[in-house]
Amino acid sequence: QSILTQPPSVSAAPGQRVTISCSGSRFNIGNNYVSWYQQLPGTAPKLLIYDNNKRPSGIPDRFSGSRSGTSATLDITGVQTGDEADYYCGTWDSSLGAGVFGGGTKLTVL
Amino acid sequence: QEQVVESGGGVVQPGRSLRLSCAASGFVFSNYGMHWVRQAPGRGLEWVAVIWQDGSNKYYAESVKGRFTISRDNSKNSLDLQMNSLRAEDTAVYYCARDIRVAAILEVNFDLWGQGTLVTVSS
Repeated sequence: QSILTQPPSVSAAPGQRVTISCSGSRFNIGNNYVSWYQQLPGTAPKLLIYDNNKRPSGIPDRFSGSRSGTSATLDITGVQTGDEADYYCGTWDSSLGAGVFGGGTKLTVL
Repeated sequence: QEQVVESGGGVVQPGRSLRLSCAASGFVFSNYGMHWVRQAPGRGLEWVAVIWQDGSNKYYAESVKGRFTISRDNSKNSLDLQMNSLRAEDTAVYYCARDIRVAAILEVNFDLWGQGTLVTVSS
């Protein structure tokens, strides 16, 4: 059972928009930066979003992040077949004194 | 270019020890906090440990506390993870990862990841 809760799976047709949620508490998302990672099959995770809503260079603006209270959201617009991957949210938990990740969400592009 | 490369994985019996290493290049290693993150086969990411850029502070996941030790040698641009009393549930790909910013404190914002090294704990 992960400290951060994500839906196990989401799906979307090419060109559509998909939203992935990440729910936590005041000890983690509520008071610390949230990041999002994309993991393609057989590869290392890749940073998509940091500091709740910032994109590293090279990440297309189809990917956006937000945080409200104790929840965070990753939005992907204009979904592409190449976006099929697992997506993870992560943050620090001040109560545990440890980093935490969500359980991951598998995106299927129909 | 900036990169980190893990090594040291392999098959080890329960109760034994193993030491992982991560070699950094292309950036000023001593400026960044470094983390270990693991992923069991078919499972999600699990944060393992962090060490501050100067080695002054270390934090561990509860699941490895007292068994694993993170360390670094800034003169050699290297990060290590000493794993003792290994258990079957420690079987995973272990990644080293870099904080996105210099002197970050207690964040999960990892912009540079290695390819991982597989640790299998089995008799």
